[in-house]
Amino acid sequence: KNEVEQSPQNLTAQEGEFITINCSYSVGISALHWLQQHPGGGIVSLFMLSSGKKKHGRLIATINIQEKHSSLHITASHPRDSAVYICAVRYMNYGGSQGNLIFGKGTKLSVKP
Amino acid sequence: ETGVTQTPRHLVMGMTNKKSLKCEQHLGHNAMYWYKQSAKKPLELMFVYSLEERVENNSVPSRFSPECPNSSHLFLHLHTLQPEDSALYLCASSQSGPYLDNEQFFGPGTRLTVL
Repeated sequence: KNEVEQSPQNLTAQEGEFITINCSYSVGISALHWLQQHPGGGIVSLFMLSSGKKKHGRLIATINIQEKHSSLHITASHPRDSAVYICAVRYMNYGGSQGNLIFGKGTKLSVKP
Repeated sequence: ETGVTQTPRHLVMGMTNKKSLKCEQHLGHNAMYWYKQSAKKPLELMFVYSLEERVENNSVPSRFSPECPNSSHLFLHLHTLQPEDSALYLCASSQSGPYLDNEQFFGPGTRLTVL
């Protein structure tokens, strides 16, 4: 069964701390997405990556294809970063075609001032 | 503001009611999606439309009926729902086909409560 595992499930940090959220998956993928969901429910796409590393402001996403693992880092965290961070992958189907996005359960981050 | 709007934002309905959720995207995208998000569970894909044609129905019960009258609008018609259908229903769109690696843009969701 293709699954996406995220850790930790919950994370509390003090403002200014460096934060890492992890995502692992089981088989070959074509791309991995990191999404942010605020308490109101809306979801925003942060990154889509298939190799290496991407950076946007204080957010950095890395992926290691061989280890089937990705990390999302937040530098100099701020209370406004408090949200649920969701990892999603697009698995490669048998035969090489691409499937739908499969989502992790999310990591709930709370940054205290 | 992602360019995808959903109405209503909150809906409470009885099990015998019929209601509809509406999604509209202002991005000129070709693919639209309905997702269900239940408490403590991952997002579940329900339906996918590409160029107004349904390309995927992810084993969703028939009490959920999607409609895509044009590439900008997507509806989810609800009838005789069960309390376990209470969840956040999210609409999303993407530029090109649903199985390509392109970013999905999500609406704010409709919080549905079935009594």
